[in-house]
Amino acid sequence: DAKTTQPNSMESNEEEPVHLPCNHSTISGTDYIHWYRQLPSQGPEYVIHGLTSNVNNRMASLAIAEDRKSSTLILHRATLRDAAVYYCILYSYSGAGSYQLTFGKGTKLSVIP
Amino acid sequence: DTEVTQTPKHLVMGMTNKKSLKCEQHMGHRAMYWYKQKAKKPPELMFVYSYEKLSINESVPSRFSPECPNSSLLNLHLHALQPEDSALYLCASSQEVSGPTEAFFGQGTRLTVV
Repeated sequence: DAKTTQPNSMESNEEEPVHLPCNHSTISGTDYIHWYRQLPSQGPEYVIHGLTSNVNNRMASLAIAEDRKSSTLILHRATLRDAAVYYCILYSYSGAGSYQLTFGKGTKLSVIP
Repeated sequence: DTEVTQTPKHLVMGMTNKKSLKCEQHMGHRAMYWYKQKAKKPPELMFVYSYEKLSINESVPSRFSPECPNSSLLNLHLHALQPEDSALYLCASSQEVSGPTEAFFGQGTRLTVV
């Protein structure tokens, strides 16, 4: 299985940008990079995904390195509601007719008022 | 409707009981997943169904038995569980027509085995 490495925890001040890094040095050419977050006592929530190019949506931006061995999730202005565990995931084709979404350890983001 | 609905939200069962967890989605997604999550740990993949057929079983003990009766419904049948099986059980679904798209997760069933 492809693996990801993230910092265990990060802190940010409210209304400042946050850059959450992820290393995935064993990524294969067909792996998609997905980010999810999980608030306390809730199921994970999709944030953003990409394959090779940088991506933007209403929640965040995803910057993907040219060699695809690392990526960074960017929250442009952190709010208290962004405090969560953020998971960087390689969405891999299982070879059995489906894709496999395997979670790593994630980064716990704390937002300071 | 972009929801994945899991029932029940909480379940307490004895080690000799048989119970079932239910997951439903009406987004037309053809891939559905079961995950197990222990406290302060990431979700662990248990099973993947693709087009109503089991495509991945991550070496899960036979006391967990998944079932996909139709494209909208996913069940997890539980029998003779152990206290260490107590966890949050999450269901998810995704489209996966031409590549992995976003997965939608339910809020989970918090299971306690006594």
